[in-house]
Amino acid sequence: DAKTTQPNSMESNEEEPVHLPCNHSTISGTDYIHWYRQLPSQGPEYVIHGLTSNVNNRMASLAIAEDRKSSTLILHRATLRDAAVYYCILRGYDMRFGAGTRLTVKP
Amino acid sequence: SQTIHQWPATLVQPVGSPLSLECTVEGTSNPNLYWYRQAAGRGLQLLFYSIGIGQISSEVPQNLSASRPQDRQFILSSKKLLLSDSGFYLCAWNRGGQETQYFGPGTRLLVL
Repeated sequence: DAKTTQPNSMESNEEEPVHLPCNHSTISGTDYIHWYRQLPSQGPEYVIHGLTSNVNNRMASLAIAEDRKSSTLILHRATLRDAAVYYCILRGYDMRFGAGTRLTVKP
Repeated sequence: SQTIHQWPATLVQPVGSPLSLECTVEGTSNPNLYWYRQAAGRGLQLLFYSIGIGQISSEVPQNLSASRPQDRQFILSSKKLLLSDSGFYLCAWNRGGQETQYFGPGTRLLVL
Protein backbone atom coordinates (compact mmCIF):
# COMPACT_ATOMS: atom_id res chain seq x y z
CA ASP A 1 0.00 0.00 0.00
CA ALA A 2 1.15 3.51 -0.70
CA LYS A 3 2.42 5.12 2.47
CA THR A 4 2.89 8.71 3.56
CA THR A 5 5.57 10.21 5.78
CA GLN A 6 5.05 13.40 7.77
CA PRO A 7 7.03 15.17 10.49
CA ASN A 8 5.72 14.42 13.95
CA SER A 9 5.32 18.05 14.92
CA MET A 10 5.70 21.60 13.70
CA GLU A 11 5.37 25.02 15.25
CA SER A 12 4.18 28.26 13.78
CA ASN A 13 3.50 31.78 14.91
CA GLU A 14 0.04 33.21 14.59
CA GLU A 15 -0.63 35.14 11.38
CA GLU A 16 2.33 33.50 9.63
CA PRO A 17 2.15 30.97 6.79
CA VAL A 18 2.64 27.30 7.54
CA HIS A 19 3.94 24.68 5.13
CA LEU A 20 3.19 21.12 6.17
CA PRO A 21 5.13 18.56 4.11
CA CYS A 22 4.17 15.03 3.18
CA ASN A 23 6.24 12.45 1.32
CA HIS A 24 4.55 9.71 -0.66
CA SER A 25 7.21 8.24 -2.88
CA THR A 26 5.23 5.08 -3.70
CA ILE A 27 2.11 6.90 -4.86
CA SER A 28 0.38 5.36 -7.84
CA GLY A 29 -0.94 7.27 -10.80
CA THR A 30 -4.55 7.15 -9.66
CA ASP A 31 -4.04 8.01 -5.98
CA TYR A 32 -5.50 11.28 -4.85
CA ILE A 33 -3.68 13.12 -2.08
CA HIS A 34 -6.00 13.99 0.78
CA TRP A 35 -5.45 16.17 3.81
CA TYR A 36 -7.52 16.07 6.96
CA ARG A 37 -7.04 17.70 10.31
CA GLN A 38 -8.22 16.73 13.74
CA LEU A 39 -8.74 19.14 16.59
CA PRO A 40 -8.54 17.77 20.13
CA SER A 41 -11.44 15.47 21.01
CA GLN A 42 -13.11 15.96 17.64
CA GLY A 43 -13.52 13.89 14.52
CA PRO A 44 -11.21 14.48 11.56
CA GLU A 45 -12.16 17.33 9.26
CA TYR A 46 -11.59 17.31 5.52
CA VAL A 47 -9.21 20.05 4.41
CA ILE A 48 -8.34 19.58 0.76
CA HIS A 49 -7.42 17.02 -1.86
CA GLY A 50 -5.82 16.92 -5.28
CA LEU A 51 -4.39 14.67 -7.96
CA THR A 52 -1.76 16.52 -10.00
CA SER A 53 -2.46 20.24 -10.08
CA ASN A 54 -2.18 22.59 -7.14
CA VAL A 55 -5.49 23.21 -5.42
CA ASN A 56 -6.88 26.09 -3.41
CA ASN A 57 -9.93 26.36 -1.21
CA ARG A 58 -11.10 28.58 1.61
CA MET A 59 -9.15 26.59 4.19
CA ALA A 60 -5.80 25.96 2.56
CA SER A 61 -3.74 25.36 -0.56
CA LEU A 62 -2.23 22.11 -1.70
CA ALA A 63 1.01 22.15 -3.65
CA ILE A 64 1.81 18.88 -5.39
CA ALA A 65 5.29 18.13 -6.68
CA GLU A 66 5.62 17.50 -10.39
CA ASP A 67 6.60 13.87 -9.80
CA ARG A 68 3.78 13.57 -7.22
CA LYS A 69 6.12 12.01 -4.70
CA SER A 70 5.55 14.78 -2.21
CA SER A 71 3.03 17.47 -1.42
CA THR A 72 2.71 20.45 0.88
CA LEU A 73 -0.33 21.75 2.68
CA ILE A 74 -0.16 25.52 2.98
CA LEU A 75 -2.05 27.50 5.59
CA HIS A 76 -1.60 31.08 4.45
CA ARG A 77 -2.13 32.73 7.81
CA ALA A 78 -2.12 30.41 10.79
CA THR A 79 -4.59 31.13 13.56
CA LEU A 80 -4.83 29.60 17.01
CA ARG A 81 -7.80 27.60 15.73
CA ASP A 82 -5.54 25.89 13.21
CA ALA A 83 -3.72 24.05 16.00
CA ALA A 84 -4.48 20.41 15.23
CA VAL A 85 -3.04 17.15 13.97
CA TYR A 86 -2.81 17.21 10.18
CA TYR A 87 -3.02 13.96 8.25
CA CYS A 88 -1.86 13.35 4.71
CA ILE A 89 -3.32 10.20 3.14
CA LEU A 90 -3.64 8.59 -0.26
CA ARG A 91 -6.63 6.71 -1.59
CA GLY A 92 -9.40 8.53 0.21
CA TYR A 93 -11.47 5.38 0.44
CA ASP A 94 -8.79 3.82 2.64
CA MET A 95 -8.58 6.11 5.66
CA ARG A 96 -5.56 4.50 7.25
CA PHE A 97 -4.42 7.66 8.97
CA GLY A 98 -0.90 7.57 10.38
CA ALA A 99 0.29 9.68 13.28
CA GLY A 100 0.14 12.91 11.28
CA THR A 101 1.82 16.23 12.09
CA ARG A 102 0.86 18.00 15.28
CA LEU A 103 0.79 21.71 14.52
CA THR A 104 1.25 24.14 17.39
CA VAL A 105 0.41 27.78 16.77
CA LYS A 106 1.97 30.32 19.09
CA PRO A 107 0.31 33.70 19.70
CA SER B 1 -26.58 20.52 3.97
CA GLN B 2 -25.54 17.17 5.35
CA THR B 3 -24.86 16.51 9.00
CA ILE B 4 -23.71 13.46 10.87
CA HIS B 5 -24.58 12.72 14.47
CA GLN B 6 -23.12 10.32 16.97
CA TRP B 7 -24.21 9.48 20.47
CA PRO B 8 -23.42 9.26 23.18
CA ALA B 9 -20.48 11.65 23.22
CA THR B 10 -18.80 9.80 26.07
CA LEU B 11 -19.44 6.45 27.67
CA VAL B 12 -17.94 4.56 30.60
CA GLN B 13 -18.78 0.88 30.66
CA PRO B 14 -17.64 -2.08 32.77
CA VAL B 15 -15.83 -5.02 31.19
CA GLY B 16 -18.28 -7.62 29.96
CA SER B 17 -21.16 -5.20 29.45
CA PRO B 18 -22.89 -4.71 26.09
CA LEU B 19 -22.36 -1.73 23.81
CA SER B 20 -24.48 0.15 21.34
CA LEU B 21 -23.23 3.28 19.59
CA GLU B 22 -25.43 5.03 17.09
CA CYS B 23 -24.63 7.15 14.07
CA THR B 24 -27.13 8.93 11.85
CA VAL B 25 -26.70 11.06 8.77
CA GLU B 26 -29.07 13.78 7.63
CA GLY B 27 -29.46 15.53 4.32
CA THR B 28 -28.40 12.75 1.99
CA SER B 29 -29.57 9.35 0.84
CA ASN B 30 -27.75 6.08 0.13
CA PRO B 31 -24.56 7.16 1.88
CA ASN B 32 -21.59 4.90 2.42
CA LEU B 33 -21.11 4.62 6.16
CA TYR B 34 -17.98 3.81 8.14
CA TRP B 35 -16.97 3.01 11.72
CA TYR B 36 -13.43 3.77 12.83
CA ARG B 37 -11.60 3.45 16.13
CA GLN B 38 -8.79 5.71 17.19
CA ALA B 39 -6.55 4.80 20.10
CA ALA B 40 -5.06 7.70 22.08
CA GLY B 41 -2.45 9.53 20.00
CA ARG B 42 -2.80 7.11 17.12
CA GLY B 43 -4.25 7.04 13.64
CA LEU B 44 -7.60 5.63 12.57
CA GLN B 45 -8.45 1.96 12.27
CA LEU B 46 -11.32 1.08 9.94
CA LEU B 47 -13.68 -1.34 11.67
CA PHE B 48 -16.72 -1.63 9.39
CA TYR B 49 -18.17 -0.04 6.30
CA SER B 50 -21.54 -0.27 4.62
CA ILE B 51 -22.69 0.62 1.13
CA GLY B 52 -26.37 -0.03 1.81
CA ILE B 53 -29.03 -1.27 4.21
CA GLY B 54 -28.06 -4.63 5.65
CA GLN B 55 -24.71 -4.63 3.82
CA ILE B 56 -21.79 -4.67 6.24
CA SER B 57 -18.14 -5.35 5.55
CA SER B 58 -15.81 -6.06 8.43
CA GLU B 59 -12.21 -4.98 8.22
CA VAL B 60 -10.89 -6.28 11.52
CA PRO B 61 -12.09 -9.47 13.24
CA GLN B 62 -12.95 -8.71 16.86
CA ASN B 63 -15.80 -8.76 19.31
CA LEU B 64 -17.56 -5.82 17.71
CA SER B 65 -20.34 -5.93 15.14
CA ALA B 66 -22.17 -3.38 13.04
CA SER B 67 -25.65 -3.10 11.64
CA ARG B 68 -27.44 -0.78 9.26
CA PRO B 69 -31.16 -1.09 9.92
CA GLN B 70 -32.04 2.06 7.98
CA ASP B 71 -30.48 3.93 5.09
CA ARG B 72 -28.95 6.65 7.24
CA GLN B 73 -28.41 4.78 10.48
CA PHE B 74 -25.31 2.83 11.42
CA ILE B 75 -24.94 1.04 14.74
CA LEU B 76 -21.83 -0.37 16.38
CA SER B 77 -22.41 -3.08 18.96
CA SER B 78 -20.73 -5.52 21.25
CA LYS B 79 -22.17 -8.27 23.44
CA LYS B 80 -19.29 -8.17 25.91
CA LEU B 81 -16.83 -5.32 26.08
CA LEU B 82 -13.13 -5.87 26.64
CA LEU B 83 -10.64 -3.44 28.17
CA SER B 84 -9.00 -3.18 24.76
CA ASP B 85 -12.24 -1.80 23.30
CA SER B 86 -11.57 1.56 24.93
CA GLY B 87 -10.96 4.31 22.41
CA PHE B 88 -12.46 7.07 20.33
CA TYR B 89 -15.08 5.74 17.92
CA LEU B 90 -15.77 7.72 14.81
CA CYS B 91 -18.53 7.38 12.27
CA ALA B 92 -18.07 8.78 8.78
CA TRP B 93 -20.00 8.97 5.53
CA ASN B 94 -19.50 9.73 1.89
CA ARG B 95 -21.31 9.30 -1.38
CA GLY B 96 -20.66 6.34 -3.60
CA GLY B 97 -17.64 6.93 -5.83
CA GLN B 98 -16.50 9.86 -3.71
CA GLU B 99 -13.25 9.53 -1.78
CA THR B 100 -13.64 12.38 0.68
CA GLN B 101 -15.23 11.27 3.94
CA TYR B 102 -17.04 13.40 6.49
CA PHE B 103 -16.70 12.49 10.12
CA GLY B 104 -19.00 12.72 13.08
CA PRO B 105 -18.01 14.19 16.44
CA GLY B 106 -17.03 10.79 17.84
CA THR B 107 -17.81 8.78 20.96
CA ARG B 108 -15.16 8.37 23.60
CA LEU B 109 -15.52 4.94 25.21
CA LEU B 110 -13.76 3.93 28.38
CA VAL B 111 -14.04 0.31 29.46
CA LEU B 112 -13.13 -0.29 33.09
